[in-house]
Amino acid sequence: QSALTQPASVSGSPGQSITISCTGTSSDVGGYKYVSWYQQHPGKAPKLMIYEVSNRPSGVSNRFSGSKSGNTASLTISGLQAEDEADYYCSSYTSRSTLGVFGGGTKLTVL
Amino acid sequence: EVQLVESGGGLVKPGGSLRLSCAASGFTFSSYTMNWLRQAPGKGLEWVSSISSSRTYIYYADSVKGRFTISRDNANSSLYLQMNSLRAEDTAVYYCARDSGSWSSDYWGQGTLVTVSS
Repeated sequence: QSALTQPASVSGSPGQSITISCTGTSSDVGGYKYVSWYQQHPGKAPKLMIYEVSNRPSGVSNRFSGSKSGNTASLTISGLQAEDEADYYCSSYTSRSTLGVFGGGTKLTVL
Repeated sequence: EVQLVESGGGLVKPGGSLRLSCAASGFTFSSYTMNWLRQAPGKGLEWVSSISSSRTYIYYADSVKGRFTISRDNANSSLYLQMNSLRAEDTAVYYCARDSGSWSSDYWGQGTLVTVSS
């Protein structure tokens, strides 16, 4: 069982917006600004999409945005495109470990 | 261009050992904390170990503590993971990743598969 809770799957049509949630506790997501999101296509390495809750690394499309409210962080993808279909993982610093924690991952299907 | 290339994976029997390597290029390796993460087949991501730039801080997941040892050679821009007493549950793709400094990994290698089976 993962430390952070994500929905197993979400779907949307091209051009729509979707949001993936990531729920933790005050010891991780809720207590710190160190929430990140990764995109992983099948057979490929994860790619950092968001760091420190809402910051995008250079080269990541501005269609990807992150936010946080209380113990829940969210990744929003606007203007869905076929290439967005992938698995998405959230991660956070946690005060209960010397290493970070991950969510179980969410499979995004673009209909 | 930042590149991370893992090697050393393979098939090993339970109780056996394996040493993974990660060759880094395209950035000042000695300035960055480096991480090992893994992903079991069909499963999610898991932090395994982390080592700071000057080796001052070294951390392990509870699941590997006492069995795995992380190390680095800054002169040769290389990261290592010595894995002993391997178990079936250690079967996974192991990724080498550069730490961004904000509890995230901004560059990842392609991964190397470790299979522990008799």
